[in-house]
Amino acid sequence: NAGVTQTPKFRVLKTGQSMTLLCAQDMNHEYMYWYRQDPGMGLRLIHYSVGEGTTAKGEVPDGYNVSRLKKQNFLLGLESAAPSQTSVYFCASSFPSTASRQPQHFGDGTRLSIL
Amino acid sequence: LAKTTQPISMDSYEGQEVNITCSHNNIATNDYITWYQQFPSQGPRFIIQGYKTKVTNEVASLFIPADRKSSTLSLPRVSLSDTAVYYCLVGQSGYALNFGKGTSLLVTP
Repeated sequence: NAGVTQTPKFRVLKTGQSMTLLCAQDMNHEYMYWYRQDPGMGLRLIHYSVGEGTTAKGEVPDGYNVSRLKKQNFLLGLESAAPSQTSVYFCASSFPSTASRQPQHFGDGTRLSIL
Repeated sequence: LAKTTQPISMDSYEGQEVNITCSHNNIATNDYITWYQQFPSQGPRFIIQGYKTKVTNEVASLFIPADRKSSTLSLPRVSLSDTAVYYCLVGQSGYALNFGKGTSLLVTP
């Protein structure tokens, strides 16, 4: 059982380049999320999705776009990378919240450096 | 979203019990309290969740007083491998999460 898989694990980009981070989950989760984590900071929510074909902005959405064409995949795109987007990116997924919070399951992160 | 306050860092020796307290004064009636653990170079991992009173699992215990304005994560007899960052989250929606900076726990021999 793979859980949440993030691709790639590491990447170095030049300013202005574009790229897409892929997140795949095999737990049939409805909800998926993208976070970024900077040194000394907690995780900040970039975008999230509550179902196939739907996405919404989180706390820090500027400079990123997302797509959820399939239930198991959630893509995070950087159209024109900037040094300020150097960070570790985490994807997570969960079942919908009903009467209680459903814990999120995280991938191991993508370490992205923008030069 | 309920704002949470927890210590930035804590130190402990192996074998001791560690208690990390989180304050959440504006917790809403339907909010749950959830704790995550994050090791270096890994994503956070769910530890425990509770609504009121006490919850215990194989990893930790969670104590929540009647007013629910705070909660305490208790790690019994910590080992070196418990060195990690611990996050306290309060909320109901599965997607509206505020991880904050967490508490960095360092366990030494």
